[in-house]
Amino acid sequence: GNSVTQMEGPVTLSEEAFLTINCTYTATGYPSLFWYVQYPGEGLQLLLKATKADDKGSNKGFEATYRKETTSFHLEKGSVQVSDSAVYFCALSPITDSWGKLQFGAGTQVVVTP
Amino acid sequence: DTAVSQTPKYLVTQMGNDKSIKCEQNLGHDTMYWYKQDSKKFLKIMFSYNNKELIINETVPNRFSPKSPDKAHLNLHINSLELGDSAVYFCASSLPRGEQYFGPGTRLTVT
Repeated sequence: GNSVTQMEGPVTLSEEAFLTINCTYTATGYPSLFWYVQYPGEGLQLLLKATKADDKGSNKGFEATYRKETTSFHLEKGSVQVSDSAVYFCALSPITDSWGKLQFGAGTQVVVTP
Repeated sequence: DTAVSQTPKYLVTQMGNDKSIKCEQNLGHDTMYWYKQDSKKFLKIMFSYNNKELIINETVPNRFSPKSPDKAHLNLHINSLELGDSAVYFCASSLPRGEQYFGPGTRLTVT
C-alpha cells in the first residue's frame, strides 16, 4: 500500500539556521506530493506541492524537489525564522485515486529559537 | 470570509453521549473530507463526500456517521462517545484532486 515516512521531531534550530526535513514515500506510479504546515492551534495549510518527477515546489522560502529515483520529497529552507515554528506534514495523493485522497506522514515538529 | 469553518471549536462531553460537529465551506468546492488527528498529531482520513455523495469511507466505527445536506456542508455525528474518540477533527474541502483547504479543527475531549 501507499505510505509516507518523515523524520521524527522535534527538530530544534536557531533562527537563520538551515532546515531540512526528510520525507520518503512508497506508492505505485507517480503520486502527487505535498507539504502541509500546521501552526499551533490552527488547521493545515498547503505549503507547496509537486505533481511529477523532478518538479520543484516552492513557497515562502521553502523548497522541495520530487525525486522519483530516491522516492523522496525533502523539505528545505535556507534561513528559518521563529515564525516557522510549526508541525510539517509530508503527504501523497495516489495516481490511482480519483478523489485526491491524501496519505499523510506522521508530521515533524520544528521549533525555532531566537 | 472564512473559507472552511467548523463548529464548535472545542467540545467536552462524557462517555456515552451523542454529539455533532458541523463544517461549512464557501469556496464552491464539490469535495469535502473529515480527518482525525490523534494526540501524536497523526492525521487519518475518515470520510469524503463529492457533491453530497459518499466516496471515501475508511475503517471507522459505525458510531461515526457523516451527513452532507448540500455540497457546502458536511457534518459529523458521533454516537455513544468513547474515551478513544478524543482527538482533533478537521474538515477540508477541495476541487477533485485539487489542493485541500482545511478548517481550524474541533478539539473533542471525552471524559
